[in-house]
Amino acid sequence: DQQVKQNSPSLSVQEGRISILNCDYTNSMFDYFLWYKKYPAEGPTFLISISSIKDKNEDGRFTVFLNKSAKHLSLHIVPSQPGDSAVYFCAAQLKYNFNKFYFGSGTKLNVKP
Amino acid sequence: DVKVTQSSRYLVKRTGEKVFLECVQDMDHENMFWYRQDPGLGLRLIYFSYDVKMKEKGDIPEGYSVSREKKERFSLILESASTNQTSMYLCASSPGGGFNEKLFFGSGTQLSVL
Repeated sequence: DQQVKQNSPSLSVQEGRISILNCDYTNSMFDYFLWYKKYPAEGPTFLISISSIKDKNEDGRFTVFLNKSAKHLSLHIVPSQPGDSAVYFCAAQLKYNFNKFYFGSGTKLNVKP
Repeated sequence: DVKVTQSSRYLVKRTGEKVFLECVQDMDHENMFWYRQDPGLGLRLIYFSYDVKMKEKGDIPEGYSVSREKKERFSLILESASTNQTSMYLCASSPGGGFNEKLFFGSGTQLSVL
């Protein structure tokens, strides 16, 4: 039973437009959320994170929004670039178990030139 | 930058073989992890280790074992490989001891069991 879900397996966006990737979770004990980006034949790399005490965190073109009441987070990429084409995983960490990360199934983003 | 190195990028093994996947990290991290990635299932934790010789089962430990004899090295062992263990295997590490840490991943090993 997946506690972190990414319901869109793929997303296609035109270069320069906004990409919005969504993630839902079921466990209210998740306290820290992360987004990872993965290119083919490479390991995931950390992109951005957010603590549950915040509802927004921004880093350049990337912004993560957290809606705790809806148990939903989203990653916004503005403007999208062809180099952003990759698989994006969201992950969550439990409040009392720092060593365990729960990952979603990923969303493959394709940014068209 | 943290470097997590997995010894093989691609491996092809036969059913029943014993398989070793090796992982080394160079940043003195306490925690090390083995995940497998399958389409539609995301990353699932097999085992993790929070100290030398210490390990804990993850969500899918069946058919796997691990070894951590030195802090920098974490090995995943498939005692008798089966076709359903064909997957991408990812090693990761984290500093340990705290909240709000992030995982650093290796490049992965694509294992095919025939």
